[in-house]
Amino acid sequence: ETGVTQTPRHLVMGMTNKKSLKCEQHLGHNAMYWYKQSAKKPLELMFVYSLEERVENNSVPSRFSPECPNSSHLFLHLHTLQPEDSALYLCASSQSQGTGANVLTFGAGSRLTVL
Amino acid sequence: AQTVTQSQPEMSVQEAETVTLSCTYDTSESDYYLFWYKQPPSRQMILVIRQEAYKQQNATENRFSVNFQKAAKSFSLKISDSQLGDAAMYFCASKDSNYQLIWGAGTKLIIKP
Repeated sequence: ETGVTQTPRHLVMGMTNKKSLKCEQHLGHNAMYWYKQSAKKPLELMFVYSLEERVENNSVPSRFSPECPNSSHLFLHLHTLQPEDSALYLCASSQSQGTGANVLTFGAGSRLTVL
Repeated sequence: AQTVTQSQPEMSVQEAETVTLSCTYDTSESDYYLFWYKQPPSRQMILVIRQEAYKQQNATENRFSVNFQKAAKSFSLKISDSQLGDAAMYFCASKDSNYQLIWGAGTKLIIKP
């Protein structure tokens, strides 16, 4: 079992649907991240949580809503998305301090298609 | 602002040979870290190698090594004895003291059998 698990692996949704992406880490890390990966573009950092508090929010539209109920779980709630939101959404975790803060462990991603 | 540039969208190499992937970066920080990540078709991003900017010695991990030229802001990845399992997208990234990793656009590495 990978250290960072993302579900679902694939998601197809209409623009009026509400869905959620889930991420769980089993590494004892206390920082978690959401990234968006679109074709032929660099990874875009969306949100960062450290010790369950949001510390980074890179001007992400409000139709994306993160939730971090504890240091092991991270959600990305999706509602009224647009077709251009179709992408691979990657979750990652790390230590929040020290040299371990520089090494991210990633999940396998959730491939989202918005129709 | 930090930037990371990978000028090679795609590279190919014969199995068992050596290939070098290029990366240049720009930062005003004096203390930062550089990384190479690999993303195979399984999509999971895997750390290949990392380099602390204050260390002059080039990092090495088995068949993977870097050529870190700090003054030139260059951080290339050398893969020796290429194997079929090395086929993947390779991403260069830099990080300073905050949470933000700055990523390059990636290089697709093809291994020819």
